Amino acid sequence: AQSVSQHNHHVILSEAASLELGCNYSYGGTVNLFWYVQYPGQHLQLLLKYFSGDPLVKGIKGFEAEFIKSKFSFNLRKPSVQWSDTAEYFCAVNGKSNYQLIWGAGTKLIIKP
Amino acid sequence: EAGVAQSPRYKIIEKRQSVAFWCNPISGHATLYWYQQILGQGPKLLIQFQNNGVVDDSQLPKDRFSAERLKGVDSTLKIQPAKLEDSAVYLCASSLVAAPSGQFFGPGTRLTVL
Repeated sequence: AQSVSQHNHHVILSEAASLELGCNYSYGGTVNLFWYVQYPGQHLQLLLKYFSGDPLVKGIKGFEAEFIKSKFSFNLRKPSVQWSDTAEYFCAVNGKSNYQLIWGAGTKLIIKP
Repeated sequence: EAGVAQSPRYKIIEKRQSVAFWCNPISGHATLYWYQQILGQGPKLLIQFQNNGVVDDSQLPKDRFSAERLKGVDSTLKIQPAKLEDSAVYLCASSLVAAPSGQFFGPGTRLTVL
């Protein structure tokens, strides 16, 4: 069965620090990979996605993620975080045989001003 | 463009009571999803509709949960009777087609069962 693991449940960083949130999945076939973000008091929204092609994908607000197939990973990165990046981040995956998303447990990111 | 609407935003009930949640998807979106998100976990799909037909309800606890999408637009999710473990946020999402990249989420309904 597919599963998604996010390594850190809580991350606290200072502004301008670099960010990397880990995401590993288990699925033997071709996958689509997603990062969603939920800012305080707001809806879940898509941050970036990988379907095929360049394994380094860029999303909104300066975020990027790298798909490493051999490691079953899709880590989220940002070189310099801002206070406004405080949010909860979810990694999700679906196999191309269906359109259902399997979600990680989420990582709460707090940026200290 | 109006987003996905859900109501109520919060609900507190006692166990064994009934509760219903309502969702109005983005206009024209054929696919509608209900998710359950328990504190500290990611969303779990309960049911997926394509227009007014059910695509997948394999994770819906059918002894107490039911959902319908009459006329292929609005949807309601009902729990009867509620249990303590049903305390969660219930998210509704919609998309033009059954594709995860196009899912738009509503604000959710936070249910507390006492």
